[in-house]
Amino acid sequence: GQQVMQIPQYQHVQEGEDFTTYCNSSTTLSNIQWYKQRPGGHPVFLIQLVKSGEVKKQKRLTFQFGEAKKNSSLHITATQTTDVGTYFCNAGNNRKLIWGLGTSLAVNP
Amino acid sequence: DAGITQSPRHKVTETGTPVTLRCHQTENHRYMYWYRQDPGHGLRLIHYSYGVKDTDKGEVSDGYSVSRSKTEDFLLTLESATSSQTSVYFCAISGLAGTDTQYFGPGTRLTVL
Repeated sequence: GQQVMQIPQYQHVQEGEDFTTYCNSSTTLSNIQWYKQRPGGHPVFLIQLVKSGEVKKQKRLTFQFGEAKKNSSLHITATQTTDVGTYFCNAGNNRKLIWGLGTSLAVNP
Repeated sequence: DAGITQSPRHKVTETGTPVTLRCHQTENHRYMYWYRQDPGHGLRLIHYSYGVKDTDKGEVSDGYSVSRSKTEDFLLTLESATSSQTSVYFCAISGLAGTDTQYFGPGTRLTVL
């Protein structure tokens, strides 16, 4: 079946460093959503991208949807300890959603 | 946070016993989902509902059943719990379509001994 690959699986950074997670699909997507889950918490919706080449920003977070609508990225500038958690992509195709396995981010203060 | 509650929040049970988890929403959303989350597996869809009495299987539905008799309630039942069903269970809701934003409940941590 269709899969969505999310890389890396884990990332450990020093506070202040940048962080990027990628979500890749072998097929064209209709949309992509990003969620954040804090340790011990539940996934929380961050953003949805729909258009080819779309870029959206939320403070230090930048979300991008590829031109071919097959990949997406989430970039965090100057990480803070509050960014700790697991970031999931959720890709929409043919009226179905497919979750990536998530990227766990650890930030050293 | 969307108005979603899950009960119980924690449960310890023994192998072979039936277990029912409840998800309750106050948002009048059409779609409701049950996921399980295990280390290394991300979120896996168990069952979902697209309306009252309308349900369908997800990727890991074996050993689970669901019911939705009211818009606001979605029940997940483990007919005979097994240790492999020890997990954290999340309920989620979404509004208009299957690809709409999902809002998650706080989760239920289930331990099957």
